[in-house]
Amino acid sequence: GAGVSQSPSNKVTEKGKDVELRCDPISGHTALYWYRQRLGQGLEFLIYFQGNSAPDKSGLPSDRFSAERTGESVSTLTIQRTQQEDSAVYLCASSLDLRDTQYFGPGTRLTVL
Amino acid sequence: ILNVEQSPQSLHVQEGDSTNFTCSFPSSNFYALHWYRWETAKSPEALFVMTLNGDEKKKGRISATLNTKEGYSYLYIKGSQPEDSATYLCALSSNTGKLIFGQGTTLQVKP
Repeated sequence: GAGVSQSPSNKVTEKGKDVELRCDPISGHTALYWYRQRLGQGLEFLIYFQGNSAPDKSGLPSDRFSAERTGESVSTLTIQRTQQEDSAVYLCASSLDLRDTQYFGPGTRLTVL
Repeated sequence: ILNVEQSPQSLHVQEGDSTNFTCSFPSSNFYALHWYRWETAKSPEALFVMTLNGDEKKKGRISATLNTKEGYSYLYIKGSQPEDSATYLCALSSNTGKLIFGQGTTLQVKP
């Protein structure tokens, strides 16, 4: 079956611009997670959604970051007024439920000039 | 706060060598330990999930063990092949499923 997909695969933007990253989870997966990996660092948790529960936003680094999810489908991660330190690979993962194995998408490589 | 350490940071071995990596963590206050393999330009791939002290999992030439009492997990690769070249990630998950990752071990297998 289809895995997790993300778009765009690469995004180059200028400092100060807004960007929107998209994640299509595996059909039927109720939990969806966003992570990012900055150069030389490990993967860090950003946010997760689980069904109709309030999302856990505890990993978002600043109020410039926000994310939405429509039901149990597509999620978008929005970064406003991008900064150079936002440059990273942004990964999305989904799982059947919380605590189940997470399946990752291929990521979006964001470069802020 | 969970802190996951992985060693070594990188490793170069010859084809056919067996190798192992370590994932260490300070406490057993987590739900599960995960190992992922992340090849360049691909998605991280789940290898193993372990929850109980003494758990051992095997997938082909790759196996893993978990010791929650002493706070470590080992990943073993027997007879390394060039296609095993990747970054191997260890992560702990809480009850909410949120993963806390180590920095990874990058393996390069030379033919």
